[in-house]
Amino acid sequence: EIVLTQSPATLSLSPGERATLSCRASQNVSIYLAWYQQIPGQAPRLLIYDASNRATGIPARFSGSGSGTDFSLTISSLEPDDFAVYHCQQRAKWFTFGPGTKVDMK
Amino acid sequence: QVQLVESGGGVVQPGSSLRLSCAASGFTFSSYVMHWVRQAPGKGLDWVAVILHDGINKYYADSVQGRFTISRDNSKNTLYLQMNSLRVEDTAVYYCTKDWRSGPHYTAYFDSWGQGTLVTVSS
Repeated sequence: EIVLTQSPATLSLSPGERATLSCRASQNVSIYLAWYQQIPGQAPRLLIYDASNRATGIPARFSGSGSGTDFSLTISSLEPDDFAVYHCQQRAKWFTFGPGTKVDMK
Repeated sequence: QVQLVESGGGVVQPGSSLRLSCAASGFTFSSYVMHWVRQAPGKGLDWVAVILHDGINKYYADSVQGRFTISRDNSKNTLYLQMNSLRVEDTAVYYCTKDWRSGPHYTAYFDSWGQGTLVTVSS
C-alpha cells in the first residue's frame, strides 16, 4: 500500500498569507495525485488533480506541483473560506489518502 | 447540477448488516464510475469500493473485501453498498462519490461527493 504523509499537521496563518502544504508518497506515484479541501462538517471538494491541474471552478490562488514522491499545494493568499483541512490522495496503485493538514487562523 | 444523496446509515451492533443507498441526479449516472469513501470520526479519508459504469466490474479495499458489496441500478440512478459482518472499526461517515471523468475506466479522482451518511457500529 502506498502511504501518504502530509506536513505540517497544522498550519496557523493569517488571511492574506501564503500557505504551502506538503505531501510525500512512500513510492513513486508519478503525477497521479490529487488535493481536496474539507471544511468541518462538509464533504471534501476536489481542488487539484494530476498534481497540478485545477478542477473546475477552483480559484487560481490554488496551485499544485510535484511528481514522483514529493508534492505541494500552495494557496497564494489565504481567504477566510480557505481555513479548512486539506487531504492529498494518490491513484497510482489503488487509492489512498494522506492524514490531512489543517490550516487554521492565527 | 450534480447531486448525490446518501441514506441508510444508523446505529447497529457488531456482526449486523446495513445497506446504504445513494440517489444521483444532474448527470448521466450510467456513464460514470462510482465509489464509496468513508471517514471515521476525527480521522482521514478511506477509499472503500468502486464500481464501473456497467455494474459488472467492482473492486474493494482489503479491509472490506468479502464483507461489503457495491452495486448500482442505472435505471434508478442509484448506487448501493451492502455491508455485512459489520465491525466497530467500520464506524464512519460513508460518502458516495462520482469519478471525475465519464467512460469505462476510472480515474479515481472524486469530483462530486454526497453529504454522507453516518454508520455507527457499537455494542
